[in-house]
Amino acid sequence: EAEVAQSPRYKITEKSQAVAFWCDPISGHATLYWYRQILGQGPELLVQFQDESVVDDSQLPKDRFSAERLKGVDSTLKIQPAELGDSAMYLCASSPKAGAFTGELFFGEGSRLTVL
Amino acid sequence: GENVEQHPSTLSVQEGDSAVIKCTYSDSASNYFPWYKQELGKRPQLIIDIRSNVGEKKDQRIAVTLNKTAKHFSLHITETQPEDSAVYFCAARGPGYSTLTFGKGTMLLVSP
Repeated sequence: EAEVAQSPRYKITEKSQAVAFWCDPISGHATLYWYRQILGQGPELLVQFQDESVVDDSQLPKDRFSAERLKGVDSTLKIQPAELGDSAMYLCASSPKAGAFTGELFFGEGSRLTVL
Repeated sequence: GENVEQHPSTLSVQEGDSAVIKCTYSDSASNYFPWYKQELGKRPQLIIDIRSNVGEKKDQRIAVTLNKTAKHFSLHITETQPEDSAVYFCAARGPGYSTLTFGKGTMLLVSP
């Protein structure tokens, strides 16, 4: 069964350092999402892509976070510089349908970031 | 934007009992309401969803009800089993390219 792939699974870094997360969605999925999940809370959307275009990045802290999906397939989320409050699980998800209604989200296993 | 409130934050039941988790949403234009289950250390997975043109949907031991007028929807799990223990998230989505907004989650513990 196809799954969303993410790496690294775990990342420990010191504050002010740069970190990057990679996501490879299920083949053929047009929509890709990056969510942040703080321990004990629900996922919060950071950025949503439709193919290579950003559809929603209103909650992305653009002074330190950036995301790209250059060829409309895999995606990279970068944080520079990392802050203590960035410690969280970063979840990537994809959904199968292009267009407005995209239905079920398929999540990856996440990348857990710890900032010291 | 959309705001989703979820209650309770924790729920403990005995095996075989029923469990109910409730969510409210703020945007009357929202039209899609999924529920995700997240086991400890695992990814969230969709367990059931409902669209705004349907009032109730059932799948074996789980069911979801939607009250559009009151802007609330609920997850019902009957005959709970220990493997139902997990965190459950409700979510709501508006039309078009709207974001899927999640509630804060309910930790369900089913004791044998």
